[in-house]
Amino acid sequence: AQKVTQAQTEISVVEKEDVTLDCVYETRDTTYYLFWYKQPPSGELVFLIRRNSFDEQNEISGRYSWNFQKSTSSFNFTITASQVVDSAVYFCALSEAFRLGGADGLTFGKGTHLIIQP
Amino acid sequence: DGGITQSPKYLFRKEGQNVTLSCEQNLNHDAMYWYRQDPGQGLRLIYYSQIVNDFQKGDIAEGYSVSREKKESFPLTVTSAQKNPTAFYLCASTDRGRTNNEQFFGPGTRLTVL
Repeated sequence: AQKVTQAQTEISVVEKEDVTLDCVYETRDTTYYLFWYKQPPSGELVFLIRRNSFDEQNEISGRYSWNFQKSTSSFNFTITASQVVDSAVYFCALSEAFRLGGADGLTFGKGTHLIIQP
Repeated sequence: DGGITQSPKYLFRKEGQNVTLSCEQNLNHDAMYWYRQDPGQGLRLIYYSQIVNDFQKGDIAEGYSVSREKKESFPLTVTSAQKNPTAFYLCASTDRGRTNNEQFFGPGTRLTVL
């Protein structure tokens, strides 16, 4: 069975600080996909990044960066120079590879509520 | 604009009543999903459908039912058998032709049982 753990329930930092959101996953598959989604107060989930299990390169997109380490089953997310608009709930999710041509849905962590104070 | 629409945004129902939540997508995606979110919790999979006229139970299907008569539509019925239906419900879809499983989400429906 697959599982995603986001141990940090809530993080509060002052604007311009860097912050890292942790994600640890469990899966028996060798092929899988990891995701990060942002959920602002409006409720809609916004896709941030997707990473497949064969690509361990770290990725940077503006102030956002992701560190994928298979050895520790972690996929951490760092926001550099945080801004108030970054305040949201962030979810890490896992999907095992397509089976029989289908997609079985994502397994989500419980989310980390990030509060950026001005 | 392509996307997923869910209606209504807020829904109130009396205990013992069935209620149907709408989900429509114009992304031409084959697969559609329903998730439930409770406060402080992640999303949990209720039902999913990989193709028209076919659907599968997710992790918490009890008390819910779905249909998939059209590719673009995947309504969810919350029945009176669902013990604790008050929650935020999110619909999602994905293109089975892609191998990366990225899911696109609708804006959600917040259901409150009075």
